[in-house]
Formats: sequence, C-alpha cells, structure tokens
Amino acid sequence: QKEVEQDPGPLSVPEGAIVSLNCTYSNSAFQYFMWYRQYSRKGPELLMYTYSSGNKEDGRFTAQVDKSSKYISLFIRDSQPSDSATYLCAMSDIPYGNKLVFGAGTILRVKS
Amino acid sequence: NAGVTQTPKFQVLKTGQSMTLQCAQDMNHNSMYWYRQDPGMGLRLIYYSASEGTTDKGEVPNGYNVSRLNKREFSLRLESAAPSQTSVYFCASNLVGGRINEQYFGPGTRLTVT
Repeated sequence: QKEVEQDPGPLSVPEGAIVSLNCTYSNSAFQYFMWYRQYSRKGPELLMYTYSSGNKEDGRFTAQVDKSSKYISLFIRDSQPSDSATYLCAMSDIPYGNKLVFGAGTILRVKS
Repeated sequence: NAGVTQTPKFQVLKTGQSMTLQCAQDMNHNSMYWYRQDPGMGLRLIYYSASEGTTDKGEVPNGYNVSRLNKREFSLRLESAAPSQTSVYFCASNLVGGRINEQYFGPGTRLTVT
C-alpha cells in the first residue's frame, strides 16, 4: 500500500464547476500538507499548504485537512480552463522537511 | 533571477551509457533534491543534499550517484543507464528554515533509455 493515495483521473469538468481533489494517507505522523500544481511539461509549483487539521482559503482555492480520517482535499470554485493541470498532494511530518511524500497526481481538465 | 535550471531538457541514451544531469539554483537555497516522475507514481525522491558537502539517499537511489558541487549546483549521474530509468527527472531546492516545505522545482529533464 502506498503511503499517499491519490486518484490519477483524468477529471474532466465544464468551466465554472466546483472541483474536488482528494488524497488519503496512512502515516498518522504527517502534519504538514501541501498541494502542488503542475502544468504540462513544467515543474510543480506550490499552490497551498496547511498545518494539521482545518481549512485554508486562498481566492478560489480551499484546502481542507481531516487528520482523524487521514484525508485531505483541495476545492476549486468557478473553475477556469487555466486551471487545467496535474494537482499533486504532498505531506511531511516535520515543518522544514527534506522529505516530502507525494501523491501520484490528479489530471484535471476544465472545458470551456 | 532564473530560479532552478536543469540541463539538458531532453536526452536519449542506449542501455549501458552514462550521463550526468545538471542542476543549478540562484536563490541561495541550502537544500537541493533530485526526483523522478513516472506515470501513476508521483514524484519519488532519488537523493537530496541538506547542505553543501552532504548528500543522502532518498526512496529510489539505486543506479544513481550525486554530487553537490557547491551551494548552487547539484548533479545526478547515471553510470550505466537501464530502460527502467526512463523517466522525467526534476531538480528542486528550498531554504530550510524558510517558508514551510516550499520546494522550488526546475523544468525537468526527459530521459529515454532504449
């Protein structure tokens, strides 16, 4: 069993839809959770990060962590074609970590 | 400010050939990383260097060697390439003690081993 599970998709939605991307994990020591966005043929870029349980909002993006269920989510409101990318979750048990554990990534396609 | 740069962008090797992937960062970061990305597998850490002069194995180090040449540069060497090393390789860096776990990635090197 992988330490971090993420549905690879692809997930295809119409423009304006609410998108929900999810990861589950098995290591209860993880406390720091991140979402990276990766455009085609580019390197990943950090999109959101959260510490422990709770929600964090940044514009159209909301990151949610439920440590009791070992489940994290990224919600995208009013999705745009420019949101089409691969979204990777990542997590760590220490804040200044040298070792991030990544999910496989979910391919998202937003159709105009 | 170029960020993290990688060379080459593309490479085709025959089985048994060797090559070195180059990575440099101009952000004065202390830690640098090499990952490989395969379909359905996400990013897997090959080696990392927490600071100049140190290197450590990651999740998938077999078949690779690294050199932290100085604070800016971190190279990855394949001594005898195998088809299983066909992948996209990403270099990343961060400032440990800076923004939590924000690793900055280069554009990647697409390697095919035939």
